[in-house]
Amino acid sequence: RKEVEQDPGPFNVPEGATVAFNCTYSNSASQSFFWYRQDCRKEPKLLMSVYSSGNEDGRFTAQLNRASQYISLLIRDSKLSDSATYLCVVDSSNTGKLIFGQGTTLQVKP
Amino acid sequence: DAGITQSPRYKITETGRQVTLMCHQTWSHSYMFWYRQDLGHGLRLIYYSAAADITDKGEVPDGYVVSRSKTENFPLTLESATRSQTSVYFCASSEGVHRDRDSKNIQYFGAGTRLSVL
Repeated sequence: RKEVEQDPGPFNVPEGATVAFNCTYSNSASQSFFWYRQDCRKEPKLLMSVYSSGNEDGRFTAQLNRASQYISLLIRDSKLSDSATYLCVVDSSNTGKLIFGQGTTLQVKP
Repeated sequence: DAGITQSPRYKITETGRQVTLMCHQTWSHSYMFWYRQDLGHGLRLIYYSAAADITDKGEVPDGYVVSRSKTENFPLTLESATRSQTSVYFCASSEGVHRDRDSKNIQYFGAGTRLSVL
């Protein structure tokens, strides 16, 4: 079983749609969780951290369910510029390392 | 604010040659990382370093050598390049490990080096 698993997609949605990505992780001792965004042929960039209480940043909402070891990202009112690959990222128990999922590809169409 | 820079951005080399990819960060971050990214594999950790003169193997270290004599630099050397090492290489840095809600382990990436081994 992979340490971080994501549905690779692609998710093809029209502009204005709401889309949700899910991710599961295997290490119950993980303490920090993130979503990164990666545009084609560019470096990954932090989109947002994910907290147990859930958190929102504009059109983006992240949720964490520790009991189920499950992380989600909700994007509302999708824009063409949201087209990218979204990486679910989990820490590796106080080692300083992060474990990256393979990513979910989103394509927003006009 | 230079942040984290990688050089060269593109490199073509031949099988058997030694190649060094450079990574430099201006934040004085303790941790630095090298990843490779290939289609179908996502990001795979090659080596990482928790501080100057401390390095550790990641998931795919074979064929690579690293050093960290200064906090700001973390070069990656392919001692004898092979075609299977054709990839995009990313360097990243972070402050440290997670503490409570203080996510010092957020990693910041360089723009990448695209390496082709012919």
